[in-house]
Amino acid sequence: QTVVTQEPSLSVSPGGTVTLTCGLLSGSVSTSYYPSWYQQTPGQAPRTLIYNTNARSSGVPDRFSGSILGNKAALTITGAQADDESDYYCVLFMESDIWVFGGGTKLTVL
Amino acid sequence: QVQLVESGGGVVQPGGSLRLSCAASEFSFNRYGMQWVRQAPGKGLEWVSFIRSDGRTQSYADSVKGRFTISRDNSKNTLYLQMNNLRPEDTALYYCVRDGSKHCFDYWGQGALVIVSS
Repeated sequence: QTVVTQEPSLSVSPGGTVTLTCGLLSGSVSTSYYPSWYQQTPGQAPRTLIYNTNARSSGVPDRFSGSILGNKAALTITGAQADDESDYYCVLFMESDIWVFGGGTKLTVL
Repeated sequence: QVQLVESGGGVVQPGGSLRLSCAASEFSFNRYGMQWVRQAPGKGLEWVSFIRSDGRTQSYADSVKGRFTISRDNSKNTLYLQMNNLRPEDTALYYCVRDGSKHCFDYWGQGALVIVSS
């Protein structure tokens, strides 16, 4: 069974930079997994931020960026703002039309 | 603007069945794969099922395989999820999601709540 790992929680100061990661319990994440990232605030449906590793979804500010860092996918927020305080989820595409979400990262801006 | 509206949620006893629907509009439904993603109360997102644009191929998470069936009616722009033999752990908000470019989930509905309880 594939397990996708994310930091359970992270914090960042307003204006600061934070990197969230998305890994595999067994193995390395590469672009072949088409990692994508989603932001969710309480009571709302998720919002697509990044797809295909580093492509920004329409309307997403450029302070959100995606990459591969080492053996993980990464979401970097540069110049964090108060309304970036949310839950963030990554998902990896496996073969045979299967997707696996990470457990999510709760980001606090303080 | 793409719209996805789920319906059919409710309270059902363990072992019971429920069918969710998702009405799609403002895009060419028959050109896109579609997904179901769920979120248990206070928990993270879980991928449930996928169906290709022509409806010929489906895939399922192990947790629902053999109990849930995804289908679509392209003439009605509607996606379905037939859920049988429901368990308490199936209690969740079920999101209808459009499969976007490069295997991402690009548009999400607001969700339909399913509660499995005696």
